[in-house]
Amino acid sequence: EPEVTQTPSHQVTQMGQEVILRCVPISNHLYFYWYRQILGQKVEFLVSFYNNEISEKSEIFDDQFSVERPDGSNFTLKIRSTKLEDSAMYFCASSGTSTFMNTQYFGPGTRLTVL
Amino acid sequence: SQKIEQNSEALNIQEGKTATLTCNYTNYSPAYLQWYRQDPGRGPVFLLLIRENEKEKRKERLKVTFDTTLKQSLFHITASQPADSATYLCALDDPGGYQKVTFGTGTKLQVIP
Repeated sequence: EPEVTQTPSHQVTQMGQEVILRCVPISNHLYFYWYRQILGQKVEFLVSFYNNEISEKSEIFDDQFSVERPDGSNFTLKIRSTKLEDSAMYFCASSGTSTFMNTQYFGPGTRLTVL
Repeated sequence: SQKIEQNSEALNIQEGKTATLTCNYTNYSPAYLQWYRQDPGRGPVFLLLIRENEKEKRKERLKVTFDTTLKQSLFHITASQPADSATYLCALDDPGGYQKVTFGTGTKLQVIP
């Protein structure tokens, strides 16, 4: 069964450093998402991406964040200058062709630890 | 913005019994509602989706109801098993756009053998 994959599974970085989290969505999906989950808290929407541009973003997704689909398979989240409060699990998700009732398929996540 | 409440942080239930989890929402009435399962350290896994014009949806031992008047969804697991132990998340579309999904905080279900 096709699945979303994410690398790395765990990333440790120093405050102020840039990190790039990588995702390979399900191959025939067209909509891509990033979510984060701070330990013990709920899953929070960050951004959705369609047709090579951001379609929606949350208040969390400020200028420190960017997303890119550099080729036909990868989808990346970049945090330019990490803060301690960026420590969280980051989940990538993808969904199929419909914009309505979009069942999202999540990857296993990347645990980001900012020291 | 949409506010979602899942009735309890944790629910313990005896194996074989039916587990019932509640999701209440305020403000905007969603066009659809989803339930996900999340295991510790893992991403959410989609279980069921129900549309605003549907009252009930079933999948194997799972049943979801959607009452737009009460602004509530109930999620049932019948004949519960220890393997059903996980956190269950309710998720709704957001008035900001169909692609944005808002998750509840989840209910942690523990099925006791």
